[in-house]
Amino acid sequence: KQEVTQIPAALSVPEGENLVLNCSFTDSAIYNLQWFRQDPGKGLTSLLLIQSSQREQTSGRLNASLDKSSGRSTLYIAASQPGDSATYLCAANTDKLIFGTGTRLQVFP
Amino acid sequence: GAVVSQHPSWVICKSGTSVKIECRSLDFQATTMFWYRQFPKQSLMLMATSNEGSKATYEQGVEKDKFLINHASLTLSTLTVTSAHPEDSSFYICSAKRYSVNNYGYTFGSGTRLTVV
Repeated sequence: KQEVTQIPAALSVPEGENLVLNCSFTDSAIYNLQWFRQDPGKGLTSLLLIQSSQREQTSGRLNASLDKSSGRSTLYIAASQPGDSATYLCAANTDKLIFGTGTRLQVFP
Repeated sequence: GAVVSQHPSWVICKSGTSVKIECRSLDFQATTMFWYRQFPKQSLMLMATSNEGSKATYEQGVEKDKFLINHASLTLSTLTVTSAHPEDSSFYICSAKRYSVNNYGYTFGSGTRLTVV
């Protein structure tokens, strides 16, 4: 059974810092891995999707890497802003999406 | 493109009543949809996989008689919470599998907040 864990569970940083969010999964037989953002009381916003054959994906200040063999993915957020404050979820796709435990991020001015 | 509409966005019901939540793919056909539940400050937990024209597949620990799933068409899946109780109060989110040229992805609805009083 796929289990997805995220570290840290919560993070509070000043504006401008570069951040690293970690995601690990137990079953490496994934099709892809996806990162989402969730604002309080809201649905999900897809940030990045990395196919199993890829090593990384970039979108603006976000960069996600994937090491399938070790069961790890990392989301880098450059030059963090208060608007980045949200919960970040990774999800491993083994023909169904299994979500991680989430990282609650707060960026203060 | 690839929009999933979920209704209602919130609902309050009395204990013992049933509530239906709809999930529609607006601009693509979705043979497979998924239902998740999220309790406050927790992650999304997969409840069941809904396949068009066949019975849903439920995850371990999810009561199939309590959470009825119907996927009667390629664009609509419904989740009915039967005989709702306060412990069923949660945020329910659906997603639809969508296919592109070389792979596939998932599009999520905006969620339904259910409060049972």
